[in-house]
Amino acid sequence: AQTVTQSQPEMSVQEAETVTLSCTYDTSENNYYLFWYKQPPSRQMILVIRQEAYKQQNATENRFSVNFQKAAKSFSLKISDSQLGDTAMYFCACNSGGSNYKLTFGKGTLLTVNP
Amino acid sequence: GAGVSQSPSNKVTEKGKDVELRCDPISGHTALYWYRQRLGQGLEFLIYFQGNSAPDKSGLPSDRFSAERTGESVSTLTIQRTQQEDSAVYLCASRGTVYNEQFFGPGTRLTVL
Repeated sequence: AQTVTQSQPEMSVQEAETVTLSCTYDTSENNYYLFWYKQPPSRQMILVIRQEAYKQQNATENRFSVNFQKAAKSFSLKISDSQLGDTAMYFCACNSGGSNYKLTFGKGTLLTVNP
Repeated sequence: GAGVSQSPSNKVTEKGKDVELRCDPISGHTALYWYRQRLGQGLEFLIYFQGNSAPDKSGLPSDRFSAERTGESVSTLTIQRTQQEDSAVYLCASRGTVYNEQFFGPGTRLTVL
């Protein structure tokens, strides 16, 4: 079984600044994948970034990067140069082949970017 | 190419009625998942289909919930005798083959009065 914990229900940041969203997880699998999804008010789940657990290098996608600490089972998301369009719920998720790749989600962090 | 589509976008029903929700996955994706998202919560896994294998139904909350999928195409999620606690957004996702990431549809918001 897998669990994902997001300890920050809400966060806010000023436009153009940097913000970090926290996520910790637990899994008994050796090979697994970690994801951050964004859900704006339209409710469409959008993949922001993925990390394969066997890769030591932190994933980056433009303004989005992760800090993957495998031993600590931590997977935080850093958003640089925050934009108004980044306002959304952010969900951390984990899956693995041992569980048919079904995603286990955290409860989410509501991020508000202020002008 | 087309993404995952779901219909209807919104569904309002009366307690006790049956509802059917539809999902069209991305063409070529053999794996399909249904999730439920209650208000202000994360997503809960409901059921998983992989090709012609037996589905993983371990997340279905009660026997009022069922789902079908024919081959690698459309899936339908049926909720019988709906209850108010079934009110939620129901999201469907299909899984790619390269990075095992899931692509989500826009969801169906179900409201049971």
